[in-house]
Amino acid sequence: GNSVTQMEGPVTLSEEAFLTINCTYTATGYPSLFWYVQYPGEGLQLLLKATKADDKGSNKGFEATYRKETTSFHLEKGSVQVSDSAVYFCALPSNAGGTSYGKLTFGQGTILTVHP
Amino acid sequence: EPEVTQTPSHQVTQMGQEVILRCVPISNHLYFYWYRQILGQKVEFLVSFYNNEISEKSEIFDDQFSVERPDGSNFTLKIRSTKLEDSAMYFCASSVDSYNEQFFGPGTRLTVL
Repeated sequence: GNSVTQMEGPVTLSEEAFLTINCTYTATGYPSLFWYVQYPGEGLQLLLKATKADDKGSNKGFEATYRKETTSFHLEKGSVQVSDSAVYFCALPSNAGGTSYGKLTFGQGTILTVHP
Repeated sequence: EPEVTQTPSHQVTQMGQEVILRCVPISNHLYFYWYRQILGQKVEFLVSFYNNEISEKSEIFDDQFSVERPDGSNFTLKIRSTKLEDSAMYFCASSVDSYNEQFFGPGTRLTVL
């Protein structure tokens, strides 16, 4: 099945720094790709998604581009804020093409801490 | 905005006891899921449910686990005889179809003593 590898954390940045969290995937076909965010004490929220190659997902200043040639979906933000401190998960459906019941496979999560 | 809800937010139980975790998915969604997250670890798939039956389950989802959609709105996860290692955050999710994003509930923290 499909799989995802996410850069290991934790990542600690100062406010207004540039953020990159790497995510690479192995997949059959071209599944949708997702970034989920988990704020302290909360559940998972969809941050952004891309449904086909070269698509750029964006939300709340975060961006990620679906790159087929490098099988990557890196998360970036130009200027992080303290409120961005959270755990970020890259995810994709476990099976693409054929019968699929939508099971998501998650990366191991990257803890981001932003200091004032 | 519609959202997935879960109850209770925190459940404490004794080892060997049965627990039922409840979820109300988004009303027009057709696919339902349970995931769990042991503290500090990645989110793991447990089971998917579609058309009133289990469509896929992981190796974690053994005979101690069961799911049910008893009344067309609730979606429950039952653990028949809890073990210490079942302590985790359990997330319910739902989606319109099997190819796009899943919407997650806030989770139920299960603590088995």
